[in-house]
Amino acid sequence: GAVVSQHPSWVICKSGTSVKIECRSLDFQATTMFWYRQFPKQSLMLMATSNEGSKATYEQGVEKDKFLINHASLTLSTLTVTSAHPEDSSFYICSARRQNNYNEQFFGPGTRLTVL
Amino acid sequence: AQSVAQPEDQVNVAEGNPLTVKCTYSVSGNPYLFWYVQYPNRGLQFLLKYITGDNLVKGSYGFEAEFNKSQTSFHLKKPSALVSDSALYFCAVRDPYNNNDMRFGAGTRLTVKP
Repeated sequence: GAVVSQHPSWVICKSGTSVKIECRSLDFQATTMFWYRQFPKQSLMLMATSNEGSKATYEQGVEKDKFLINHASLTLSTLTVTSAHPEDSSFYICSARRQNNYNEQFFGPGTRLTVL
Repeated sequence: AQSVAQPEDQVNVAEGNPLTVKCTYSVSGNPYLFWYVQYPNRGLQFLLKYITGDNLVKGSYGFEAEFNKSQTSFHLKKPSALVSDSALYFCAVRDPYNNNDMRFGAGTRLTVKP
């Protein structure tokens, strides 16, 4: 149990286009989902935290208009990178957590975004 | 704010030998500590956690970690390394007062040579 999927696993897009990444909890209800960004050979940096039905809470320095996060259901959160540019190229990882279970975070396999 | 440090970028061990991946933490209050493993182009997989109780925590794939409060450390260990253990390992600490605030170390790349 506790599987988190991401789609797509990789995407290549042209500069200026928008890209949507989906994160799904397959066998549990995720009241809280997290979005991380990972640069090569670096750690995960938390971008934002989203609770189902609420607006996402963004970390300092993360542009909310650039990285749109929607958590419309208990099993799905989406991250949309708007008007992507080459510097947005990165590995994006989502994580999900069950309600009232703060000690277990389940991670998706990640999405590799390359902006040309 | 809480933080973790992984002092070694890279750890190399021979297959069959014991391995240790180091982690030290800084947190106000009781620490909630985690170890994750990441294989290339994959997300993080949970290995083990320390919340309370015994200082020696056993986890997946034969890994264990020892919580040492006096040294503020939570080193990951395995008695006999496998080549398949080669991966990137992350230590993480969660703020006991903020359930949404988990901080990751910079990661340690473990290479196990046959």
